[in-house]
Amino acid sequence: DAKTTQPTSMDCAEGRAANLPCNHSTISGNEYVYWYRQIHSQGPQYIIHGLKNNETNEMASLIITEDRKSSTLILPHATLRDTAVYYCIVGGYSGNTPLVFGKGTRLSVIA
Amino acid sequence: GAVVSQHPSRVICKSGTSVKIECRSLDFQATTMFWYRQFPKQSLMLMATSNEGSKATYEQGVEKDKFLINHASLTLSTLTVTSAHPEDSSFYICSARDRGGPGNEQFFGPGTRLTVL
Repeated sequence: DAKTTQPTSMDCAEGRAANLPCNHSTISGNEYVYWYRQIHSQGPQYIIHGLKNNETNEMASLIITEDRKSSTLILPHATLRDTAVYYCIVGGYSGNTPLVFGKGTRLSVIA
Repeated sequence: GAVVSQHPSRVICKSGTSVKIECRSLDFQATTMFWYRQFPKQSLMLMATSNEGSKATYEQGVEKDKFLINHASLTLSTLTVTSAHPEDSSFYICSARDRGGPGNEQFFGPGTRLTVL
């Protein structure tokens, strides 16, 4: 079973920041937090991942709480193309361990 | 990021026939690949873990004799749906980890939509 809890859906105005929360209160010490998104009828797209520290790349920022029990994915300036289902996944760093998907958050960016 | 391809992207077949789906890691070697299935309006469900040169490990409830997985090389894994039936119609997605990459992310293919008539 997925180890994360996410809101079912969220709306965001185009051009504004989208903040997607995720609870993972049972995360283990060696587990990472991964974020992926899936646009309709496509394979999941990697966004970002982190262990303890906050991370930022060209797509998004990941804020992980100090106790690591929750995190927030931030899309700084949402566009219509960011409309997708966003999945927060906790998992190991091992190459043999697959990522297990929960239900994700359906983000709708509105013009 | 690393690229994973799938072929075909879409396939329609008659009930009772077998369908093979290929998954390739294009610019990295993947000793482990994963196969997922996704029904409409649902999340991805892990079907099996495919290890190069050895037998695949199937998740509970997935029939290994129906979903044959072969991982013959470090860049290719295949999923064969044998004697397909309409209930096997789904979106099949493969994935692989770039073990040589700095982040060890898991990359996903674009998916194969199977429709069984």
